[in-house]
Amino acid sequence: GESVGLHLPTLSVQEGDNSIINCAYSNSASDYFIWYKQESGKGPQFIIDIRSNMDKRQGQRVTVLLNKTVKHLSLQIAATQPGDSAVYFCAETYGQNFVFGPGTRLSVLP
Amino acid sequence: DTAVSQTPKYLVTQMGNDKSIKCEQNLGHDTMYWYKQDSKKFLKIMFSYNNKELIINETVPNRFSPKSPDKAHLNLHINSLELGDSAVYFCASSQEAGISGYTFGSGTRLTVV
Repeated sequence: GESVGLHLPTLSVQEGDNSIINCAYSNSASDYFIWYKQESGKGPQFIIDIRSNMDKRQGQRVTVLLNKTVKHLSLQIAATQPGDSAVYFCAETYGQNFVFGPGTRLSVLP
Repeated sequence: DTAVSQTPKYLVTQMGNDKSIKCEQNLGHDTMYWYKQDSKKFLKIMFSYNNKELIINETVPNRFSPKSPDKAHLNLHINSLELGDSAVYFCASSQEAGISGYTFGSGTRLTVV
């Protein structure tokens, strides 16, 4: 399940299940979006990106969906593994920089 | 071969001190950045810099100043450190600002006591 509150939102999934992490972005003019994965003690790492002229992009075990109408981005991870446990951030372009969402902690249960 | 390297990884210092964090990238990227990550994992941009332009987030106190001796380096100087400066600071670089993704360093955990 997913919990949202004062703490970092956490999504707990069973190993082998699919995970869906959601992100609402704010800038309707954003034309480039990226999902990053941050493992404990490390910097954010690029996972997958999507440009605004697309609504879906697939990578290895990951899919990003973009709904510009409602300014929503999602990251789907197939067959979630223990190594997927991390904090996931969406990022949108804002001028020449990227603005990061608040992050979601993915916890993979054995 | 570390693409973006930061030093030190950990920094513990007293209030009022001045400290620097160094960052180097060997990717040949044109733009470098400093981000601050607070205890809730929120990432906030502080500066972006290429060889032509420094863009400062107006909410960053002027005690923070970036220094770039060349395209491959962007160091962060912090004067008169305060307790609220405690955070993890990430350096990043990108090929083209706002168009290509970032490569992040592993972060510097700053603790002000």
